[in-house]
Amino acid sequence: DTEVTQTPKHLVMGMTNKKSLKCEQHMGHRAMYWYKQKAKKPPELMFVYSYEKLSINESVPSRFSPECPNSSLLNLHLHALQPEDSALYLCASSQLPGHGQFFGPGTRLTVL
Amino acid sequence: TQLLEQSPQFLSIQEGENLTVYCNSSSVFSSLQWYRQEPGEGPVLLVTVVTGGEVKKLKRLTFQFGDARKDSSLHITAAQPGDTGLYLCAGVLSVASGYALNFGKGTSLLVTP
Repeated sequence: DTEVTQTPKHLVMGMTNKKSLKCEQHMGHRAMYWYKQKAKKPPELMFVYSYEKLSINESVPSRFSPECPNSSLLNLHLHALQPEDSALYLCASSQLPGHGQFFGPGTRLTVL
Repeated sequence: TQLLEQSPQFLSIQEGENLTVYCNSSSVFSSLQWYRQEPGEGPVLLVTVVTGGEVKKLKRLTFQFGDARKDSSLHITAAQPGDTGLYLCAGVLSVASGYALNFGKGTSLLVTP
């Protein structure tokens, strides 16, 4: 299994909603990542988990809360988002930190 | 912080032509990765280059890492419509808390039949 899966594929939420994005990989990778990508821009790193511990937090607002329940799963909890948070949210994993990354298909998030 | 400059930003060519995409920086990277992304999908890793001066080939794609590990190039020979996409270079930096991947702004390639 050489795939990173993400659910849901699309999500529309209001500014008062609480939702979660999920990411899963079964490649035995020990590093997992969340990125945010706006249209026609490169991915922006949000969080890095290394061996299930948060190792990099790129000054992301607290309305985004990552969670790594185990080495295969990565969640991103969303609360009180703003319309400008609408974007494609990408999850990725790599065998070790710094190695080439495998990306999931992303979750297209729209905040109304 | 945008450490990597990619050029050109946009490129439209006809099938069969050759092209080169450049990725430049003043920073030294542990390694550099190239990705291709199609609309609505996640980036797909094409190659990782690690050693200064390294050249890697992937069918019609040739990747080169600069001797000083600050820049890289991607050369496509005889481009095909299936090569259309956003090409992203990403430099790996060693930081106190681990490794960070810094993406260039990308080169949007359109290959027409």
